[in-house]
Amino acid sequence: DQQVKQNSPSLSVQEGRISILNCDYTNSMFDYFLWYKKYPAEGPTFLISISSIKDKNEDGRFTVFLNKSAKHLSLHIVPSQPGDSAVYFCAASVKTSYDKVIFGPGTSLSVIP
Amino acid sequence: NAGVMQNPRHLVRRRGQEARLRCSPMKGHSHVYWYRQLPEEGLKFMVYLQKENIIDESGMPKERFSAEFPKEGPSILRIQQVVRGDSAAYFCASSPSTGENIQYFGAGTRLSVL
Repeated sequence: DQQVKQNSPSLSVQEGRISILNCDYTNSMFDYFLWYKKYPAEGPTFLISISSIKDKNEDGRFTVFLNKSAKHLSLHIVPSQPGDSAVYFCAASVKTSYDKVIFGPGTSLSVIP
Repeated sequence: NAGVMQNPRHLVRRRGQEARLRCSPMKGHSHVYWYRQLPEEGLKFMVYLQKENIIDESGMPKERFSAEFPKEGPSILRIQQVVRGDSAAYFCASSPSTGENIQYFGAGTRLSVL
């Protein structure tokens, strides 16, 4: 049972436009959400996160929005740049005996110059 | 300020051999996590370890796979009697002892089983 879903395997966006990556989750106990970015042949790198007590967090060109009632979050990148082309993983954390992080399957973003 | 170090980067094994993947966490980090990424799939949690303790191994296959994080030295993910289906990228991540949600990943080990 996939608790974190990213239903778009891939996305293409023109340089300078907005990229919107979506993520849905099923477990209402998730209390912290993260986005990671991964280039080929490299490990994922942390990008931005949001606590469940907030509905928006912004860091430069990257903004994450959280809609708890819909169990949905999205990552906005504006303006998109060719260097943003990568796989983006949505992840969610739940307190068990520790803060367990569960990753979605990823969305491959291509920013076209 | 070295990040998470994984070696080897690439590992080729024949069916039935053993694979040993090593992970040195970031300095000051005492929590280590192992993930597996199969082709065209996301990151699947395998195991979470603290020094000398396995905290959560719910993602580990029941047979042939084991992990350790000794008091001294790197964390080791060991796969005995490898099969073709074990071919994947294996990523290690670490986090500080303060229990921060953010995990810092290594570059991964790409295991190919012939």
